[in-house]
Amino acid sequence: NAGVTQTPKFRVLKTGQSMTLLCAQDMNHEYMYWYRQDPGMGLRLIHYSVGEGTTAKGEVPDGYNVSRLKKQNFLLGLESAAPSQTSVYFCASSDRDRGGDTQYFGPGTRLTVL
Amino acid sequence: RKEVEQDPGPFNVPEGATVAFNCTYSNSASQSFFWYRQDCRKEPKLLMSVYSSGNEDGRFTAQLNRASQYISLLIRDSKLSDSATYLCVVNNRVDSSYKLIFGSGTRLLVRP
Repeated sequence: NAGVTQTPKFRVLKTGQSMTLLCAQDMNHEYMYWYRQDPGMGLRLIHYSVGEGTTAKGEVPDGYNVSRLKKQNFLLGLESAAPSQTSVYFCASSDRDRGGDTQYFGPGTRLTVL
Repeated sequence: RKEVEQDPGPFNVPEGATVAFNCTYSNSASQSFFWYRQDCRKEPKLLMSVYSSGNEDGRFTAQLNRASQYISLLIRDSKLSDSATYLCVVNNRVDSSYKLIFGSGTRLLVRP
């Protein structure tokens, strides 16, 4: 099993450009999450999904959109990138039957917005 | 006030030392608690869950004090490979789902 994978691993954008980050998991998990990690801030939840076709806002959703068309995939979109969105983005998944307790993370995407 | 607070460190200790980290959380209704480990430029990984009765996994011991709302992690006989950032994590139930709240981490450096 690959676990949780993320593409791309690195990306540099100019202000105003758009992009989509892809997260895929092969563990048949119901819950999926997108976080961003900034120095001194800890991981902050952007959006999450409790099942295929559902999404919900997390702590810092502004400037991002998500879609969960297939159970195994969770996409994070930036419509018009801003320098404040420079961060490391982590996707995670967890098992509904365990109350979402243990989250398995992907390797992260390092995004720089110039 | 942050929901989960940790001393950022770094804690710089020699090999073989015993080191302890504490973490406080603000939501008294928090349901479950964890320590995650994050190596430099890597993703967080679950180190251990924290149970009310305390639990031990080899050199690692975790404790929970619900009355005072803090969690602790004790590492005995530190190894060089223990050098990492340790994230205190709290799981809160929100409506029908769960959300993990992460502390910003405590950095540990184990020196030869």
